[in-house]
Amino acid sequence: AQSVSQHNHHVILSEAASLELGCNYSYGGTVNLFWYVQYPGQHLQLLLKYFSGDPLVKGIKGFEAEFIKSKFSFNLRKPSVQWSDTAEYFCAVNAGGYQKVTFGTGTKLQVIP
Amino acid sequence: EAQVTQNPRYLITVTGKKLTVTCSQNMNHEYMSWYRQDPGLGLRQIYYSMNVEVTDKGDVPEGYKVSRKEKRNFPLILESPSPNQTSLYFCASSEKRGNEQFFGPGTRLTVL
Repeated sequence: AQSVSQHNHHVILSEAASLELGCNYSYGGTVNLFWYVQYPGQHLQLLLKYFSGDPLVKGIKGFEAEFIKSKFSFNLRKPSVQWSDTAEYFCAVNAGGYQKVTFGTGTKLQVIP
Repeated sequence: EAQVTQNPRYLITVTGKKLTVTCSQNMNHEYMSWYRQDPGLGLRQIYYSMNVEVTDKGDVPEGYKVSRKEKRNFPLILESPSPNQTSLYFCASSEKRGNEQFFGPGTRLTVL
């Protein structure tokens, strides 16, 4: 079975600080990986996704993520956060041939002006 | 406009009173799914559907039913709601299994 771990539950940063949110999954085969963002009071929206190819993927709003197969990781990064990035971030995985989609427990990011 | 709609957005009910939360998508997506979101637990998949008349259990299916009679609709049914089903529910759809999902606005359910 696939599983996803997000170790940072709550992160507080000042504006312009750099961000890295961890995501680790457990599945040895082919995976599709996603990061979603949920702004306060809103539904989830896709930030970026990885299916294959270049392991460094770029998403919307300056976010990027790096797929490291050997570490089963797909960490989310942003060089300089803004107050508007305050939200909850979810990592999700769909393992090849597996019909379920599994989400991590989420990381709440609070950016202080 | 491509979207996933859910109704109702807010619902307060009592234990044992059957309810249905509707979900509809206008993108001709094959894959649809229901999740519940609870603090500290993230999103957990309740049921999913690969296509019309094809549904299967997710990670937390107990107490829920679904149906997929038409491609665009995927209602969530709670035959006898209980307080532990108080949660925020999201419907989502994707073109195919494994693709990015588009989420509805959510339904906040309170069972007294």
